[in-house]
Amino acid sequence: ETGVTQTPRHLVMGMTNKKSLKCEQHLGHNAMYWYKQSAKKPLELMFVYSLEERVENNSVPSRFSPECPNSSHLFLHLHTLQPEDSALYLCASSRSDIGTGELFFGEGSRLTVL
Amino acid sequence: SQQGEEDPQALSIQEGENATMNCSYKTSINNLQWYRQNSGRGLVHLILIRSNEREKHSGRLRVTLDTSKKSSSLLITASRAADTASYFCATDVRGTGRRALTFGSGTRLQVQP
Repeated sequence: ETGVTQTPRHLVMGMTNKKSLKCEQHLGHNAMYWYKQSAKKPLELMFVYSLEERVENNSVPSRFSPECPNSSHLFLHLHTLQPEDSALYLCASSRSDIGTGELFFGEGSRLTVL
Repeated sequence: SQQGEEDPQALSIQEGENATMNCSYKTSINNLQWYRQNSGRGLVHLILIRSNEREKHSGRLRVTLDTSKKSSSLLITASRAADTASYFCATDVRGTGRRALTFGSGTRLQVQP
């Protein structure tokens, strides 16, 4: 139990569906992150939020839309995805995004796009 | 090209043996961290070594950092079957404006009982 909870753990969706991934952290951290992990590729940073403000968007396609309503919650809204978007999506948090220390990861949401 | 690259990509050893994994990176760093990931799960932080440190220990883990060679190694001593996992190095890169860690592709470790 890392203090970061992701739901759902598994998601199957068609290319025309709209779904959302949710992440919640109970650690009092100020920074939250979305990473994408595809087979045989390094973890790819997608978005960074600091105190609910998006501070980095790593050239992610607009079919991925993040939302951070407060410092404890982070969402990733998905629409019109492609099969190559199938991956493990990992949420993480840290005390601060400046001089990054340790990241605390959730268990991930395994997404399959048909 | 990626900032951190682990070597080897895969490693298979017997229980009780030591496992050594290496990480190379390209630019100056603030610190380097090692993480572990069990199959299909999230990453778990193992150890952080700062750029002014050369060696750090935590239980059966020993991490070294050579900033002149831009490399780090993770040694797991007296390995156990439960150590089977993927291990990633992650760099905190200074001066690029990046505000998150950059991860390598990982080393898959298999410890045979």
